[in-house]
Amino acid sequence: GENVEQHPSTLSVQEGDSAVIKCTYSDSASNYFPWYKQELGKGPQLIIDIRSNVGEKKDQRIAVTLNKTAKHFSLHITETQPEDSAVYFCAASRENYKLSFGAGTTVTVRA
Amino acid sequence: DSGVTQTPKHLITATGQRVTLRCSPRSGDLSVYWYQQSLDQGLQFLIQYYNGEERAKGNILERFSAQQFPDLHSELNLSSLELGDSALYFCASSSTVSSGNTIYFGEGSWLTVV
Repeated sequence: GENVEQHPSTLSVQEGDSAVIKCTYSDSASNYFPWYKQELGKGPQLIIDIRSNVGEKKDQRIAVTLNKTAKHFSLHITETQPEDSAVYFCAASRENYKLSFGAGTTVTVRA
Repeated sequence: DSGVTQTPKHLITATGQRVTLRCSPRSGDLSVYWYQQSLDQGLQFLIQYYNGEERAKGNILERFSAQQFPDLHSELNLSSLELGDSALYFCASSSTVSSGNTIYFGEGSWLTVV
């Protein structure tokens, strides 16, 4: 099955700086790569996703890149704000829809 | 608000007992997923239903079972509970089984087994 590895496990950044989280996946048939943000006591919330026919996608301060050849994808958050502090999960799936998640990255934005 | 509703939000029960967690998917979503989140295991896929039928199975224990009813709501039944079953259980839904549709998560049911 799919195996998703996520790094780093924790990330502390100064407000205004950028944060980058990287994930690798094992199943070359995976074609959908979402990113979720989970705040304390809440469920995972989709923040951005990318499909295998696209190399990069951007939504305001958030961007995701995908390298199918290397089987890795990354989340970039620019101009970080205190409300960006949360746990971020990457995930991967193929057409049967079972999302396999990375272990998560705890992001702390220092004011 | 994702539109996925889970009840109860919190549940404390004793070892050996049985509990039922309930999920109402987003309006119109045919697919329902159950995930377990614990500190040492992360988000683990348990089972998926599509329009009432089991679609995919993950690392779901034999003591656990689920079903999706004609009105598309789903229940996850956990029996012979053990201390290690304490976790957050998430339900999620999406509109079709086809690749790439967004999966929306509920707020979770926090189960504590004592």
